[in-house]
Amino acid sequence: DSGVTQTPKHLITATGQRVTLRCSPRSGDLSVYWYQQSLDQGLQFLIQYYNGEERAKGNILERFSAQQFPDLHSELNLSSLELGDSALYFCASSSLGGRTEAFFGQGTRLTVV
Amino acid sequence: AQKVTQAQTEISVVEKEDVTLDCVYETRDTTYYLFWYKQPPSGELVFLIRRNSFDEQNEISGRYSWNFQKSTSSFNFTITASQVVDSAVYFCALSEAKTSYDKVIFGPGTSLSVIP
Repeated sequence: DSGVTQTPKHLITATGQRVTLRCSPRSGDLSVYWYQQSLDQGLQFLIQYYNGEERAKGNILERFSAQQFPDLHSELNLSSLELGDSALYFCASSSLGGRTEAFFGQGTRLTVV
Repeated sequence: AQKVTQAQTEISVVEKEDVTLDCVYETRDTTYYLFWYKQPPSGELVFLIRRNSFDEQNEISGRYSWNFQKSTSSFNFTITASQVVDSAVYFCALSEAKTSYDKVIFGPGTSLSVIP
């Protein structure tokens, strides 16, 4: 058990809909990452927060947004969903950003139908 | 820009063989961190090792060893006497000082199958 909790584990939704993925980091970790893992694209970096502040952004679509709350949990919002958004979404946390190892949640499997 | 290449998409070995997974990275920074992660069939990502750019010492942990060579920008991972439980996708990752280490970029991964 990595200590990182992601909910829900599975999500099936229709095109055009909006969903929210939730992540609780490991106790004490200030940094939260979001990654998208598609079958053909490996682990794509989406966004990173440190203590509530957005620190780094990857190729995150404008339809996607995220935030980290004062209690350090994070949410990833995906809107106007398309079939191609179907993927495994991972949250990870670390104590000092990319200076330290990240601990990953079990992921949320999103299926857009 | 930071980039990680893992040229081997899939590797199959017979149990007890040694196998090396290649990782080549690109960065303009002199200060950076490299990581290896394992993703077994169950799907979770597990941290294996972290190395910073100032520490070129090779590391051995049981059957696992890592060879870091700045001269060739490589951070290769060797499994000695492979076992079926080593079957997984292995990812190499990089963070660099230029982005305050906040952006951790992963390579495409190498899928290792260990055949009994």
